[in-house]
Amino acid sequence: EAGVTQSPTHLIKTRGQQATLRCSPISGHTSVYWYQQALGLGLQFLLWYDEGEERNRGNFPPRFSGRQFPNYSSELNVNALELEDSALYLCASSPWTAGDTEAFFGQGTRLTVV
Amino acid sequence: SQQGEEDPQALSIQEGENATMNCSYKTSINNLQWYRQNSGRGLVHLILIRSNEREKHSGRLRVTLDTSKKSSSLLITASRAADTASYFCAVLTTDSWGKLQFGAGTQVVVTP
Repeated sequence: EAGVTQSPTHLIKTRGQQATLRCSPISGHTSVYWYQQALGLGLQFLLWYDEGEERNRGNFPPRFSGRQFPNYSSELNVNALELEDSALYLCASSPWTAGDTEAFFGQGTRLTVV
Repeated sequence: SQQGEEDPQALSIQEGENATMNCSYKTSINNLQWYRQNSGRGLVHLILIRSNEREKHSGRLRVTLDTSKKSSSLLITASRAADTASYFCAVLTTDSWGKLQFGAGTQVVVTP
């Protein structure tokens, strides 16, 4: 069974541009989570989608947005990129809310803003 | 502010020794989870312990939870070089459903 897949693996953008990151959850999982991990730091919760709806959001500005498609895959969009947005962006999925069960993580997209 | 906070920040041991790391949190939780991350890539789930549980085992891993002290510990027994990784605790608090909150992690280096 395929795990959580993220694309692209690496992304280099210029300050001010927009970045789109993609995530395909494990088959049968309806919840998708996005986290940001800046170099050497812990994971900061970004967004939680379930059944196509945004269920919870972390303390990030509105230029961080996303959506979940009918097939449960998800996109994270970051507008007006800033240098401090450079980080590893991790997507995770779970069969239901990652409260009663583990979250399965992808390998991440490393975003570099220059 | 972060919920899960690990201690120590870094730990260096030799193969065969035990490694212990701790996690403290601030508010009531539904459960606490431990994850491992190798070389800045994806996280791998290790153990989930619920708020009404006190101890869980999985292979060479032992996790304890003390809700009165709002703390947890992860013990890796008979460590191996392959255990070299960053270890994170994550909590699901009762007031923020679906939002696993991670600490900054403990970096463990196991020397052969």
